[in-house]
Amino acid sequence: AQSVTQLGSHVSVSEGALVLLRCNYSSSVPPYLFWYVQYPNQGLQLLLKYTSAATLVKGINGFEAEFKKSETSFHLTKPSAHMSDAAEYFCAVSEGDTNAGKSTFGDGTTLTVKP
Amino acid sequence: DAGVTQSPTHLIKTRGQHVTLRCSPISGHKSVSWYQQVLGQGPQFIFQYYEKEERGRGNFPDRFSARQFPNYSSELNVNALLLGDSALYLCASSPRQGLGYGYTFGSGTRLTVV
Repeated sequence: AQSVTQLGSHVSVSEGALVLLRCNYSSSVPPYLFWYVQYPNQGLQLLLKYTSAATLVKGINGFEAEFKKSETSFHLTKPSAHMSDAAEYFCAVSEGDTNAGKSTFGDGTTLTVKP
Repeated sequence: DAGVTQSPTHLIKTRGQHVTLRCSPISGHKSVSWYQQVLGQGPQFIFQYYEKEERGRGNFPDRFSARQFPNYSSELNVNALLLGDSALYLCASSPRQGLGYGYTFGSGTRLTVV
Protein backbone atom coordinates (compact mmCIF):
# COMPACT_ATOMS: atom_id res chain seq x y z
CA ALA A 1 0.00 0.00 0.00
CA GLN A 2 1.13 3.54 -0.66
CA SER A 3 0.93 6.53 1.66
CA VAL A 4 2.18 10.09 1.96
CA THR A 5 3.02 12.16 5.03
CA GLN A 6 3.45 15.90 4.72
CA LEU A 7 5.31 17.27 7.71
CA GLY A 8 3.85 20.57 8.85
CA SER A 9 0.31 21.51 7.94
CA HIS A 10 1.27 25.20 7.91
CA VAL A 11 4.53 26.81 6.82
CA SER A 12 5.19 30.54 6.95
CA VAL A 13 8.11 32.27 5.24
CA SER A 14 9.07 35.82 4.43
CA GLU A 15 9.08 37.04 0.85
CA GLY A 16 12.46 36.23 -0.66
CA ALA A 17 13.21 33.45 1.81
CA LEU A 18 13.76 29.77 1.05
CA VAL A 19 10.65 27.61 0.78
CA LEU A 20 10.93 24.02 2.04
CA LEU A 21 7.88 21.78 2.15
CA ARG A 22 8.46 18.26 3.40
CA CYS A 23 7.03 15.03 2.05
CA ASN A 24 7.75 11.44 3.01
CA TYR A 25 6.21 8.51 1.19
CA SER A 26 5.67 4.81 1.53
CA SER A 27 5.31 2.52 -1.45
CA SER A 28 5.66 -1.22 -2.02
CA VAL A 29 6.99 -0.65 -5.55
CA PRO A 30 9.19 2.08 -7.07
CA PRO A 31 7.07 5.18 -6.68
CA TYR A 32 6.01 7.95 -8.97
CA LEU A 33 5.83 11.18 -6.98
CA PHE A 34 4.10 14.49 -7.58
CA TRP A 35 3.69 17.93 -6.10
CA TYR A 36 0.51 19.88 -6.78
CA VAL A 37 -0.54 23.41 -5.83
CA GLN A 38 -4.11 24.44 -5.07
CA TYR A 39 -5.28 28.03 -4.90
CA PRO A 40 -8.54 28.89 -3.10
CA ASN A 41 -11.64 27.63 -4.90
CA GLN A 42 -9.59 26.05 -7.66
CA GLY A 43 -8.49 22.60 -8.72
CA LEU A 44 -4.99 21.19 -8.45
CA GLN A 45 -2.15 22.27 -10.71
CA LEU A 46 0.80 19.96 -11.25
CA LEU A 47 4.09 21.57 -10.18
CA LEU A 48 6.41 18.68 -10.94
CA LYS A 49 6.68 14.91 -11.06
CA TYR A 50 9.29 12.23 -10.46
CA THR A 51 9.11 9.23 -12.78
CA SER A 52 12.32 7.31 -12.02
CA ALA A 53 14.54 9.45 -14.21
CA ALA A 54 16.66 12.24 -12.69
CA THR A 55 16.40 12.44 -8.91
CA LEU A 56 16.37 16.25 -8.95
CA VAL A 57 13.20 17.38 -10.66
CA LYS A 58 12.57 20.92 -11.79
CA GLY A 59 9.04 22.18 -12.09
CA ILE A 60 7.10 25.30 -12.87
CA ASN A 61 7.31 28.63 -11.06
CA GLY A 62 10.89 27.99 -9.88
CA PHE A 63 10.06 24.96 -7.73
CA GLU A 64 12.14 21.82 -7.59
CA ALA A 65 12.15 18.59 -5.60
CA GLU A 66 14.72 15.91 -4.90
CA PHE A 67 13.88 12.22 -4.69
CA LYS A 68 15.86 10.51 -1.92
CA LYS A 69 15.17 6.80 -1.85
CA SER A 70 17.21 6.16 1.31
CA GLU A 71 15.13 8.73 3.19
CA THR A 72 11.85 7.96 1.35
CA SER A 73 11.50 11.70 0.88
CA PHE A 74 10.50 14.07 -1.89
CA HIS A 75 10.80 17.56 -0.39
CA LEU A 76 9.75 20.62 -2.40
CA THR A 77 11.96 23.72 -2.45
CA LYS A 78 12.10 27.17 -3.96
CA PRO A 79 15.07 29.46 -3.38
CA SER A 80 13.10 32.69 -3.04
CA ALA A 81 9.44 32.90 -2.04
CA HIS A 82 7.07 35.22 -3.83
CA MET A 83 3.76 36.50 -2.53
CA SER A 84 2.01 34.62 -5.33
CA ASP A 85 3.33 31.31 -3.94
CA ALA A 86 0.87 31.49 -1.04
CA ALA A 87 -1.39 28.46 -1.54
CA GLU A 88 -1.91 24.89 -0.42
CA TYR A 89 0.57 22.28 -1.60
CA PHE A 90 -0.05 18.57 -1.90
CA CYS A 91 2.41 15.73 -2.31
CA ALA A 92 1.11 12.57 -3.97
CA VAL A 93 2.38 9.08 -4.81
CA SER A 94 1.29 6.47 -7.30
CA GLU A 95 2.54 2.96 -7.83
CA GLY A 96 3.82 3.04 -11.35
CA ASP A 97 2.89 4.44 -14.67
CA THR A 98 -0.51 2.88 -15.24
CA ASN A 99 -1.62 3.81 -11.72
CA ALA A 100 -0.95 7.50 -12.19
CA GLY A 101 -4.65 8.21 -12.18
CA LYS A 102 -4.99 6.53 -8.77
CA SER A 103 -2.70 8.70 -6.73
CA THR A 104 -2.62 8.85 -2.93
CA PHE A 105 -2.34 12.39 -1.60
CA GLY A 106 -1.02 13.83 1.62
CA ASP A 107 -3.17 16.15 3.72
CA GLY A 108 -1.49 19.25 2.36
CA THR A 109 0.70 22.10 3.60
CA THR A 110 -0.59 25.65 3.59
CA LEU A 111 2.17 28.07 2.63
CA THR A 112 1.91 31.65 3.88
CA VAL A 113 4.29 34.28 2.49
CA LYS A 114 4.81 37.38 4.64
CA PRO A 115 5.79 40.69 3.03
CA ASP B 1 -8.08 25.45 -25.24
CA ALA B 2 -10.74 24.53 -22.71
CA GLY B 3 -9.50 22.76 -19.61
CA VAL B 4 -11.31 20.09 -17.63
CA THR B 5 -14.87 21.31 -17.11
CA GLN B 6 -16.99 20.23 -14.17
CA SER B 7 -20.64 20.95 -13.53
CA PRO B 8 -22.29 22.15 -11.48
CA THR B 9 -19.76 24.22 -9.55
CA HIS B 10 -21.81 24.17 -6.37
CA LEU B 11 -24.89 22.36 -5.17
CA ILE B 12 -26.78 21.67 -2.00
CA LYS B 13 -28.59 18.38 -1.40
CA THR B 14 -30.56 16.85 1.45
CA ARG B 15 -29.58 13.65 3.22
CA GLY B 16 -30.91 10.59 1.41
CA GLN B 17 -31.05 12.28 -1.99
CA HIS B 18 -29.13 11.31 -5.09
CA VAL B 19 -26.63 13.51 -6.95
CA THR B 20 -24.96 13.39 -10.38
CA LEU B 21 -21.75 15.28 -11.03
CA ARG B 22 -20.43 15.78 -14.53
CA CYS B 23 -16.97 16.11 -16.04
CA SER B 24 -15.85 17.03 -19.53
CA PRO B 25 -12.19 16.17 -20.10
CA ILE B 26 -9.81 18.12 -22.24
CA SER B 27 -10.41 17.39 -25.89
CA GLY B 28 -8.50 14.25 -26.87
CA HIS B 29 -8.14 13.00 -23.30
CA LYS B 30 -9.43 9.48 -22.82
CA SER B 31 -8.66 8.87 -19.14
CA VAL B 32 -10.74 10.40 -16.36
CA SER B 33 -10.25 10.08 -12.60
CA TRP B 34 -12.52 11.22 -9.78
CA TYR B 35 -11.35 12.37 -6.35
CA GLN B 36 -13.13 13.47 -3.18
CA GLN B 37 -11.52 16.28 -1.15
CA VAL B 38 -12.96 16.80 2.29
CA LEU B 39 -12.22 20.17 3.86
CA GLY B 40 -8.76 20.19 5.40
CA GLN B 41 -7.63 16.96 3.75
CA GLY B 42 -5.97 15.89 0.55
CA PRO B 43 -7.93 14.44 -2.37
CA GLN B 44 -8.93 10.79 -2.05
CA PHE B 45 -9.17 8.58 -5.15
CA ILE B 46 -12.65 7.35 -6.04
CA PHE B 47 -12.62 6.02 -9.63
CA GLN B 48 -10.54 5.91 -12.78
CA TYR B 49 -11.94 5.31 -16.26
CA TYR B 50 -10.01 4.78 -19.45
CA GLU B 51 -11.55 4.06 -22.83
CA LYS B 52 -14.96 3.84 -21.14
CA GLU B 53 -13.92 1.03 -18.82
CA GLU B 54 -13.40 1.22 -15.07
CA ARG B 55 -9.67 0.84 -14.41
CA GLY B 56 -9.61 1.48 -10.70
CA ARG B 57 -11.82 2.00 -7.67
CA GLY B 58 -10.90 3.51 -4.34
CA ASN B 59 -12.19 2.60 -0.91
CA PHE B 60 -15.67 4.06 -1.26
CA PRO B 61 -19.05 2.42 -0.61
CA ASP B 62 -21.27 1.10 -3.38
CA ARG B 63 -23.37 4.26 -3.09
CA PHE B 64 -20.71 5.79 -5.32
CA SER B 65 -20.75 4.87 -9.00
CA ALA B 66 -19.46 6.36 -12.21
CA ARG B 67 -19.40 5.87 -15.92
CA GLN B 68 -17.64 7.23 -18.99
CA PHE B 69 -19.44 7.99 -22.20
CA PRO B 70 -18.36 7.47 -25.85
CA ASN B 71 -17.25 11.12 -25.99
CA TYR B 72 -15.07 10.43 -22.90
CA SER B 73 -17.08 12.69 -20.62
CA SER B 74 -17.89 11.17 -17.26
CA GLU B 75 -20.52 11.18 -14.53
CA LEU B 76 -20.12 10.47 -10.85
CA ASN B 77 -23.27 9.36 -9.07
CA VAL B 78 -23.81 9.23 -5.34
CA ASN B 79 -26.95 7.65 -3.86
CA ALA B 80 -28.44 7.97 -0.39
CA LEU B 81 -26.36 11.03 0.46
CA LEU B 82 -24.88 11.34 3.94
CA LEU B 83 -23.66 14.45 5.69
CA GLY B 84 -20.13 13.05 5.36
CA ASP B 85 -20.37 13.17 1.58
CA SER B 86 -20.04 16.95 1.76
CA ALA B 87 -16.80 17.69 -0.07
CA LEU B 88 -15.15 19.09 -3.17
CA TYR B 89 -15.31 16.51 -5.95
CA LEU B 90 -12.47 16.79 -8.43
CA CYS B 91 -12.19 15.34 -11.90
CA ALA B 92 -8.84 14.91 -13.65
CA SER B 93 -8.14 13.90 -17.21
CA SER B 94 -5.17 12.62 -19.19
CA PRO B 95 -4.62 11.68 -22.84
CA ARG B 96 -3.97 8.10 -21.83
CA GLN B 97 -3.81 5.95 -18.73
CA GLY B 98 -0.09 6.24 -18.21
CA LEU B 99 1.72 8.78 -16.09
CA GLY B 100 3.88 10.22 -18.78
CA TYR B 101 1.00 12.21 -20.14
CA GLY B 102 0.15 13.99 -16.91
CA TYR B 103 -3.22 14.59 -15.33
CA THR B 104 -5.05 17.92 -15.44
CA PHE B 105 -7.59 18.72 -12.75
CA GLY B 106 -10.82 20.66 -13.03
CA SER B 107 -11.91 23.24 -10.48
CA GLY B 108 -14.29 20.80 -8.85
CA THR B 109 -17.89 20.59 -7.72
CA ARG B 110 -18.57 21.71 -4.16
CA LEU B 111 -21.28 19.43 -2.72
CA THR B 112 -22.97 20.33 0.53
CA VAL B 113 -25.31 17.79 2.13
CA VAL B 114 -27.71 19.16 4.73
